[in-house]
Amino acid sequence: EVQLQESGPGLVKPSQSLSLTCSVTGYSITSSYRWNWIRKFPGNKLEWMGYINSAGSTNYNPSLKSRISITRDTSKNQFFLQVNSVTTEDTATYYCARSRYLFFDYWGQGVMVTVSS
Amino acid sequence: DIQMTQTPSSMPASLGERVTISCRASQGISNYLNWYQQKPDGTIKPLIYYTSNLQSGVPSRFSGSGSGTDYSLTISSLEPEDFAMYYCQQYDSSPNTFGAGTKLELK
Repeated sequence: EVQLQESGPGLVKPSQSLSLTCSVTGYSITSSYRWNWIRKFPGNKLEWMGYINSAGSTNYNPSLKSRISITRDTSKNQFFLQVNSVTTEDTATYYCARSRYLFFDYWGQGVMVTVSS
Repeated sequence: DIQMTQTPSSMPASLGERVTISCRASQGISNYLNWYQQKPDGTIKPLIYYTSNLQSGVPSRFSGSGSGTDYSLTISSLEPEDFAMYYCQQYDSSPNTFGAGTKLELK
């Protein structure tokens, strides 16, 4: 069974970088599909952040394009999110998810990240 | 970006009741519309893709319909595990965007 699990620090200071890891089991991230990051803000709004596909190409939400990077380690079957210059507006629960095209068919449990000094 | 307006934002309902959640796009999205369920523990489950196609394992009491700008999710007879948040998502235009969610609550 495909499983995704997010990990990373729960607290980040303003102006620093947020770094999260998504560990995937049950499917190779190089086989197919797109591997996404999505976040849910405290008011329940969901925002798609971007993906890395099985070939290693990326696509980002234009609203975040200048601040984020999605990379991967194929040897560990993991992909990563980095968000630079965070503010309190980046406080959210971060999810990784697999998608076929843009239907998210497997999700991680989510990791809550608070940006605060 | 395409704006997705979900109504209602919250809905009290009873076990066994038939409920419908609506989602309206700010422009036509050619049926590129998905639905998801979020449980109170935060887990998110895919329900329906491309307007009306049931994801594997999803009970048949869930159904989706719509066209153009207007779409809906219907649950034919509410079960206890259906009380949750529901989100629509359009993927006709990049970036894909989500509705604000509908909280289905026990009356």
